Amino acid sequence: GDSVTQMEGPVTLSEEAFLTINCTYTATGYPSLFWYVQYPGEGLQLLLKATKADDKGSNKGFEATYRKETTSFHLEKGSVQVSDSAVYFCALSDPVRDSSYKLIFGSGTRLLVRP
Amino acid sequence: GAGVSQTPSNKVTEKGKYVELRCDPISGHTALYWYRQSLGQGPEFLIYFQGTGAADDSGLPNDRFFAVRPEGSVSTLKIQRTERGDSAVYLCASSPLPSGYSYEQYFGPGTRLTVT
Repeated sequence: GDSVTQMEGPVTLSEEAFLTINCTYTATGYPSLFWYVQYPGEGLQLLLKATKADDKGSNKGFEATYRKETTSFHLEKGSVQVSDSAVYFCALSDPVRDSSYKLIFGSGTRLLVRP
Repeated sequence: GAGVSQTPSNKVTEKGKYVELRCDPISGHTALYWYRQSLGQGPEFLIYFQGTGAADDSGLPNDRFFAVRPEGSVSTLKIQRTERGDSAVYLCASSPLPSGYSYEQYFGPGTRLTVT
């Protein structure tokens, strides 16, 4: 079945450092890809999404490009802030194969940004 | 406007007991999802409602788990004969009628269930 694999954390960076969190997926169809973020004490929030190959999702300085050839959707940010400390989840949904649009999540990557 | 709300926020119960977890979706959202998040893991799909009916319950782990949405709004997840392995955060999400490829699921804060 479809699955998502994320790099294990925690990822610890200094403020203003460059961030990459790797995400690869396995899917037999043509999924939509998402990054969700969970800040301490809060619920999951959609950070960005991409619905087809070569699309780039972006929000709050974060970017991710849907790479079908490498089945990847890596999250990047050029300069992280302490307020970016959170758990980041990569997820997919395959609405062509699955009319429920349910999300399949990776295991999450915790990011800690130090001042 | 109001987001997805879940009650209770925390629930501690003894092994073998019955529990009910409630979800109030965003008004007007016809799609409702339940997920379960174990410690250190990503959320795992349990069940999907479109309106009042369970359109996909393939994620329910066994017949101790059941969910209803009788009026197409509030949903209740019911767990019978709870086991320690049921301890997790149970998340609810709602969405407008899914269509095309551009939609978003809005998540509630979750109910943390602890089975002792």
